[in-house]
Amino acid sequence: GQQVMQIPQYQHVQEGEDFTTYCNSSTTLSNIQWYKQRPGGHPVFLIQLVKSGEVKKQKRLTFQFGEAKKNSSLHITATQTTDVGTYFCADNTNAGKSTFGDGTTLTVKP
Amino acid sequence: DAGVTQSPTHLIKTRGQQVTLRCSPISGHKSVSWYQQVLGQGPQFIFQYYEKEERGRGNFPDRFSARQFPNYSSELNVNALLLGDSALYLCASSSRYSNQPQHFGDGTRLSIL
Repeated sequence: GQQVMQIPQYQHVQEGEDFTTYCNSSTTLSNIQWYKQRPGGHPVFLIQLVKSGEVKKQKRLTFQFGEAKKNSSLHITATQTTDVGTYFCADNTNAGKSTFGDGTTLTVKP
Repeated sequence: DAGVTQSPTHLIKTRGQQVTLRCSPISGHKSVSWYQQVLGQGPQFIFQYYEKEERGRGNFPDRFSARQFPNYSSELNVNALLLGDSALYLCASSSRYSNQPQHFGDGTRLSIL
């Protein structure tokens, strides 16, 4: 079935360093969503990307959708301890029946 | 406004038993989706209901069933529980059927002994 792969699985950074997680699909995605899940919490919607080559920014977070709509990335500039959590991409091509990647877990050392 | 609410928060069952999990979507949201999240993995899609009709089913056995009520709340039922059903069960609601952010509840942590 359709899958989205995320790398890396884990990332440990020093506070202030940058962080990037990548999401790849073997098939073209109509749209992709990004979620953040804090330890012990539930996924929280961050953003949705729809257009080829789209770039969206939320403060220190930059989201990109590839030109071929088969990959996406999330980049965090100057990480803070509040950024700790697992970041998931989700293929929402079939609305409401999202296929999630297995996430990238970010830990930040103060 | 209240977010998505799920009950119970935790549940312990034994193999072979049956369980019912409940979800109330955000007011005005007509789409409810259920996901299973095993530790260390992303949520896996189980069911989607929209306007009280099943709109999608993931790769789960027939032991899993669900329904949506006229007030758009939903129940997920799992029969003949197996050890492998131990997971966090998440409910998500969205305002429309297509291309909308999904708002998740806190989930029900189900443990099978």
